[in-house]
Amino acid sequence: TQLLEQSPQFLSIQEGENLTVYCNSSSVFSSLQWYRQEPGEGPVLLVTVVTGGEVKKLKRLTFQFGDARKDSSLHITAAQPGDTGLYLCAGATGGGADGLTFGKGTHLIIQP
Amino acid sequence: SQTIHQWPATLVQPVGSPLSLECTVEGTSNPNLYWYRQAAGRGLQLLFYSVGIGQISSEVPQNLSASRPQDRQFILSSKKLLLSDSGFYLCAWSVGAGRGDTQYFGPGTRLTVL
Repeated sequence: TQLLEQSPQFLSIQEGENLTVYCNSSSVFSSLQWYRQEPGEGPVLLVTVVTGGEVKKLKRLTFQFGDARKDSSLHITAAQPGDTGLYLCAGATGGGADGLTFGKGTHLIIQP
Repeated sequence: SQTIHQWPATLVQPVGSPLSLECTVEGTSNPNLYWYRQAAGRGLQLLFYSVGIGQISSEVPQNLSASRPQDRQFILSSKKLLLSDSGFYLCAWSVGAGRGDTQYFGPGTRLTVL
């Protein structure tokens, strides 16, 4: 069973600060997705990374896939209250036959 | 563009009552469909997935069942609800050959069993 560990589990920071959350595993993934989920709503896809070492930027969010495709990070610059939510990472094994493995998420609160 | 709908949005049911949650997808054909349950502190648990009409795979033993009567319709059911069935139920879809393809989620159904 593949496991994805997300850290930290909870993070509360002030508006304007930078932060990084992590998604780690001992397994190799063919792709990895990041989602943001707000209370009472379904997760919304932010990005999919597929190549080891890949970096993708989405406005103030920077996603990196580890060289060995076992880990990923999400860095937010100048966090805003609208960034508040549960951030989930999900990894797919080769061929996708085993489905997605989800981490438990990082609860992020940005205080104004 | 593709959209996914779930209803109802919230549901409060007594223990022992039946359950039917519905999920429909628009704007795509022959999607892979999934049912997840999300409980606080436990992440997303895959319950069922389907690669086509009438094709259902169960991931965990439970008193829930799923059906796919039409290409873009996925139904989660129970004959008798348990307290432990409470949670946030999410439907998702993907296209591609494998279950590891990027999945897109619906808005969810909050189920409370009393």
